[in-house]
Amino acid sequence: AQSVTQLDSHVSVSEGTPVLLRCNYSSSYSPSLFWYVQHPNKGLQLLLKYTSAATLVKGINGFEAEFKKSETSFHLTKPSAHMSDAAEYFCVFYNQGGKLIFGQGTELSVKP
Amino acid sequence: DAGVTQSPTHLIKTRGQHVTLRCSPISGHKSVSWYQQVLGQGPQFIFQYYEKEERGRGNFPDRFSARQFPNYSSELNVNALLLGDSALYLCASSLGQGIETQYFGPGTRLLVL
Repeated sequence: AQSVTQLDSHVSVSEGTPVLLRCNYSSSYSPSLFWYVQHPNKGLQLLLKYTSAATLVKGINGFEAEFKKSETSFHLTKPSAHMSDAAEYFCVFYNQGGKLIFGQGTELSVKP
Repeated sequence: DAGVTQSPTHLIKTRGQHVTLRCSPISGHKSVSWYQQVLGQGPQFIFQYYEKEERGRGNFPDRFSARQFPNYSSELNVNALLLGDSALYLCASSLGQGIETQYFGPGTRLLVL
């Protein structure tokens, strides 16, 4: 069965330091993967997506993710965290039939 | 252009009642998907509709139903509400039904007492 696992439920960083949010996937076929962000009391916003093109995907707000088939990973990174990055982040697997499979989420806290 | 809109924003119901949630997709989008997000968890897929037909269904009981109208807006209906149905209900629209980016609305927060 297709699935995604976010390895950390909560990550805390200081402003200006790098961000790493980890995601592993399980799939019997070449996956399409997304990262979404959810700010409090706001809807989900797409950060970036991987659909079997370049393995290094650049998204909005300085985020990027690298698809590594050998490690079945799709980790999200950002070189320097901003206070405004504090939110819930979801790694998402696209399944057939238009179904998005969400991970459990990683809450990112950014300390001043 | 307006994004995905949902109504109402908040709703309080009692057990056994039914509820109808509404979603208007982005103009030009023909696909609407519904998700349930329980507090502290990631969203769970309920339905996808494309061109007014159900194209995908998640693992939800028959109390949950939906439909899509000719203008591509959609309704999600839940009958015989249970306490466990309390959640944020999210609607997402996309151009088609393939590997398309899904754009989410702000959600309807349902509380069942």
